[in-house]
Amino acid sequence: NAGVTQTPKFQVLKTGQSMTLQCAQDMNHNSMYWYRQDPGMGLRLIYYSASEGTTDKGEVPNGYNVSRLNKREFSLRLESAAPSQTSVYFCASSEGQIYNSPLHFGNGTRLTVT
Amino acid sequence: AQSVTQPDIHITVSEGASLELRCNYSYGATPYLFWYVQSPGQGLQLLLKYFSGDTLVQGIKGFEAEFKRSQSSFNLRKPSVHWSDAAEYFCAVGVTEYGNKLVFGAGTILRVKS
Repeated sequence: NAGVTQTPKFQVLKTGQSMTLQCAQDMNHNSMYWYRQDPGMGLRLIYYSASEGTTDKGEVPNGYNVSRLNKREFSLRLESAAPSQTSVYFCASSEGQIYNSPLHFGNGTRLTVT
Repeated sequence: AQSVTQPDIHITVSEGASLELRCNYSYGATPYLFWYVQSPGQGLQLLLKYFSGDTLVQGIKGFEAEFKRSQSSFNLRKPSVHWSDAAEYFCAVGVTEYGNKLVFGAGTILRVKS
């Protein structure tokens, strides 16, 4: 079972470059999420999509954009990368709402911005 | 301030010893409670959850957790730790105060010594 698949696994960008992180889930989940993980700070929600066609800002949305392409896919775009965006990014999905449904996570994308 | 606290950044236990990881939250209503585990280079995996009912819940890999309303705590326990339990553990709290959200603690890194 694939679950949640993220690409790429690693990426190095120079300041100002752009990139898109891809995420796909095969569990027919309604909700999808993008988190970033930084040491000592747990996971912080960047954006989420409660259903196909909707997206909402999370705790740390600045510098990011998202697209819910269809029910399976949810991409995260950095238009002009900054060193502060160096982090590990996780995509997740859930059947129900964010506060009462278990999340299923991908294996992450480690991004370094120099 | 509303928060989820995992007081221990690192814990080291001997293989075969018992384990307790602490989690406290500061939300008014009884929240939805989760524990996740993250192995190196992997995404988070759900260990167990508590929504209502019996305050002692069983999870995967021999873990259990107890919800104590009076202490606003949801501590994770395991009677006998195995070397493969070495990982980072995250408590997460789902709340509906001030909007629906899931808040993660900063995590506890478990080291197992043989």
